[in-house]
Amino acid sequence: AQSVTQLGSHVSVSEGALVLLRCNYSSSVPPYLFWYVQYPNQGLQLLLKYTTGATLVKGINGFEAEFKKSETSFHLTKPSAHMSDAAEYFCAVSYNTNAGKSTFGDGTTLTVKP
Amino acid sequence: GAVVSQHPSWVICKSGTSVKIECRSLDFQATTMFWYRQFPKQSLMLMATSNEGSKATYEQGVEKDKFLINHASLTLSTLTVTSAHPEDSSFYICSAMASGKETQYFGPGTRLLVL
Repeated sequence: AQSVTQLGSHVSVSEGALVLLRCNYSSSVPPYLFWYVQYPNQGLQLLLKYTTGATLVKGINGFEAEFKKSETSFHLTKPSAHMSDAAEYFCAVSYNTNAGKSTFGDGTTLTVKP
Repeated sequence: GAVVSQHPSWVICKSGTSVKIECRSLDFQATTMFWYRQFPKQSLMLMATSNEGSKATYEQGVEKDKFLINHASLTLSTLTVTSAHPEDSSFYICSAMASGKETQYFGPGTRLLVL
């Protein structure tokens, strides 16, 4: 069975500060890992994903995440927060034998202070 | 690319009526579509997996007669909430995935309010 834990339901940073959103997963087989962003009353937008290959993946809007197998983590980072980054962020895991079904974390609300 | 639309974006209906929500993949063929429900400040709850041309697979606890799913073509899936009640009020989100791919692309969601 697969599961996802997002540590910290709320994260608050100042504009220009580092953003770090934590995600740990459990999976019995090699995982596919995703980060999504959701703005109020909207669907989810894919930020980035890891499937195979390079463990440091870069996404849209300056975000990146590193797959660390030994730590079963896939933390999301951005060097400098912008006000427009304020949103809900979801980490998700799937694997190649479950027909694409993903398990989502509970989400982290990012607040950016001016 | 990889755009998914949903219609309507919001709907208000009376208790006891049925509501149909459409999910379309606009620029790719979606062999699989997923339907989620999201309560305020919560994560997505998978309701069912829909494969083109076959019956949907429902998650445990989701009533298939209540939430009818039809995936009649490679670009369209519909979710019909039958005999809606106020407790069915929620944000419904679909996603679509192409054959052999691992990424789901999400629609913008449909806000349902049952009075």
